[in-house]
Amino acid sequence: NAGVTQTPKFQVLKTGQSMTLQCAQDMNHEYMSWYRQDPGMGLRLIHYSVGAGITDQGEVPNGYNVSRSTTEDFPLRLLSAAPSQTSVYFCASSYDRAYQETQYFGPGTRLLVL
Amino acid sequence: GNSVTQMEGPVTLSEEAFLTINCTYTATGYPSLFWYVQYPGEGLQLLLKATKADDKGSNKGFEATYRKETTSFHLEKGSVQVSDSAVYFCALSEGSSASKIIFGSGTRLSIRP
Repeated sequence: NAGVTQTPKFQVLKTGQSMTLQCAQDMNHEYMSWYRQDPGMGLRLIHYSVGAGITDQGEVPNGYNVSRSTTEDFPLRLLSAAPSQTSVYFCASSYDRAYQETQYFGPGTRLLVL
Repeated sequence: GNSVTQMEGPVTLSEEAFLTINCTYTATGYPSLFWYVQYPGEGLQLLLKATKADDKGSNKGFEATYRKETTSFHLEKGSVQVSDSAVYFCALSEGSSASKIIFGSGTRLSIRP
């Protein structure tokens, strides 16, 4: 199993550009989530999904969209990038929502918005 | 609201030194408490957990005891190794297993050979 994979590893954007961060898992996990990690602030939940076709907002959803058309994939879209979205983004998955503490995390995508 | 406070890093120790990373929390109800570790270039991994007062979580030589009276969950290890160099996050979840997890800001640990 590859676990949780994320692409790209690193991306530079200009303000106003859009892009999609890819996340995939091959463990047949129902629960998937996106976090951002900022210095001094730990991880904050952006969006999550409890299964294909179901998504919901987390703590900091503004400026991001998600969709979950398959169990495996959970892409995160930045509609119009802003410097405040410079961060490290982690995707995670677990068997279901009740097992969030044992989420498997991807290696992260480092995003720089100029 | 619920929150987690960790000691600020970075923490630099020599190999075989004793490690303590402090963590305190604010929560209503009876949260579960966790420590996660993030090795360089990787995502977070659950290191240990405790689900009720006085529980001790342990893994890979690390320990933490859930202290309700001091609202603390300090991480300790008796003899650290270079391979323990990583960022450590304290976290909590509310009583319901479906509640979100709240992470502390992380403490970077560097171990000198």
